[in-house]
Amino acid sequence: RKEVEQDPGPFNVPEGATVAFNCTYSNSASQSFFWYRQDCRKEPKLLMSVYSSGNEDGRFTAQLNRASQYISLLIRDSKLSDSATYLCVVNAIPGAGGTSYGKLTFGQGTILTVHP
Amino acid sequence: SQTIHQWPATLVQPVGSPLSLECTVEGTSNPNLYWYRQAAGRGLQLLFYSVGIGQISSEVPQNLSASRPQDRQFILSSKKLLLSDSGFYLCAWRLHPRDRGITNYGYTFGSGTRLTVV
Repeated sequence: RKEVEQDPGPFNVPEGATVAFNCTYSNSASQSFFWYRQDCRKEPKLLMSVYSSGNEDGRFTAQLNRASQYISLLIRDSKLSDSATYLCVVNAIPGAGGTSYGKLTFGQGTILTVHP
Repeated sequence: SQTIHQWPATLVQPVGSPLSLECTVEGTSNPNLYWYRQAAGRGLQLLFYSVGIGQISSEVPQNLSASRPQDRQFILSSKKLLLSDSGFYLCAWRLHPRDRGITNYGYTFGSGTRLTVV
């Protein structure tokens, strides 16, 4: 089983639609969760962190369910500019002795295309 | 503010040639540094990470190596490139855990180097 698994996609939606991405992670000890966005042939950029209580940033809402080891990203009122690959990201197990080297594990990504 | 620089942006190298990619971070100290590779149509694969000068951990066996000669400098090298080394190489930094406190910081990536081995 992969450490981080995402919806295979691709998602092809019209402008104004609401779209949801799902992600599951295998390591129950994971502590940090993020959604990144990657445009074609560019580096990934942090979209938002994901907190246990859920968090919202404009049209974007992220949810975390630790019991189910499940993360989601909801995009409301999709824009053409939202077209990109969305990466679910989880931190790895802390190192021995309680140290953490901060390694993040990336899902394969889900491609979103928003069309007029 | 912190910035990360990575160069070159693109590179075409023949099989068997050496490689040196450089990454520097400004505006912070003692960052965690990472090298990732993204093959065409695939996910990000962690190659190396470093928590301090001279401290390098390798994630996957390969013909690549990494070095951290200075606190904010991270270098990816190869003595002889293979065709399979082609890909998009990304350097990233993250605040050291003790400097992050309870704040949830992600990575910041450099703009990447697109390497084609021919």
